[in-house]
Amino acid sequence: QKEVEQDPGPLSVPEGAIVSLNCTYSNSAFQYFMWYRQYSRKGPELLMYTYSSGNKEDGRFTAQVDKSSKYISLFIRDSQPSDSATYLCAMSADDSWGKLQFGAGTQVVVTP
Amino acid sequence: EAQVTQNPRYLITVTGKKLTVTCSQNMNHEYMSWYRQDPGLGLRQIYYSMNVEVTDKGDVPEGYKVSRKEKRNFPLILESPSPNQTSLYFCASSSLSGGPYNEQFFGPGTRLTVL
Repeated sequence: QKEVEQDPGPLSVPEGAIVSLNCTYSNSAFQYFMWYRQYSRKGPELLMYTYSSGNKEDGRFTAQVDKSSKYISLFIRDSQPSDSATYLCAMSADDSWGKLQFGAGTQVVVTP
Repeated sequence: EAQVTQNPRYLITVTGKKLTVTCSQNMNHEYMSWYRQDPGLGLRQIYYSMNVEVTDKGDVPEGYKVSRKEKRNFPLILESPSPNQTSLYFCASSSLSGGPYNEQFFGPGTRLTVL
């Protein structure tokens, strides 16, 4: 079983809708949680990061971490066609934070 | 322009023929890492380096070698490539100041096919 599970999608939503993405994980040592966005034929780029539990908001993006459930989420409000991409969660532990575990990525399609 | 460069961008080779994929960054980053990306599996870390002469295994290091003799370069070596190493490879780098929150900057990717 993979340490990080993520539904690959695709997830199709109409423009303006809320996109909800999530990952589950099994390693309770994970403390650092990140979301990356990857456009087709490009390298990933960091969207958001959080440490331990809690919420973080940045513009239209909200990241949530529930360590008790080993579950992280990313919400995109007022979605735009330009948000169409693959979203990958990533996480690492305190004692080896250079070693990252990525989810498989969820493909999101926002239709005009 | 701050960037991570990889060469070659595309490579088709045959089983057993040693190859090197180069990675270079011009941002004076301490941390560098190699990943492979396969459909349905996401990004999997091969090796990473926290600084010159310091390298550690990621999740899938078998069949790969790396070295970090200079801060800016982190080549990935496949001594005897096999078809199961056909994949899209990404190199990434980040600063260590501020800890793990620093964004990893990814290169454009190298698409490798091993026949």
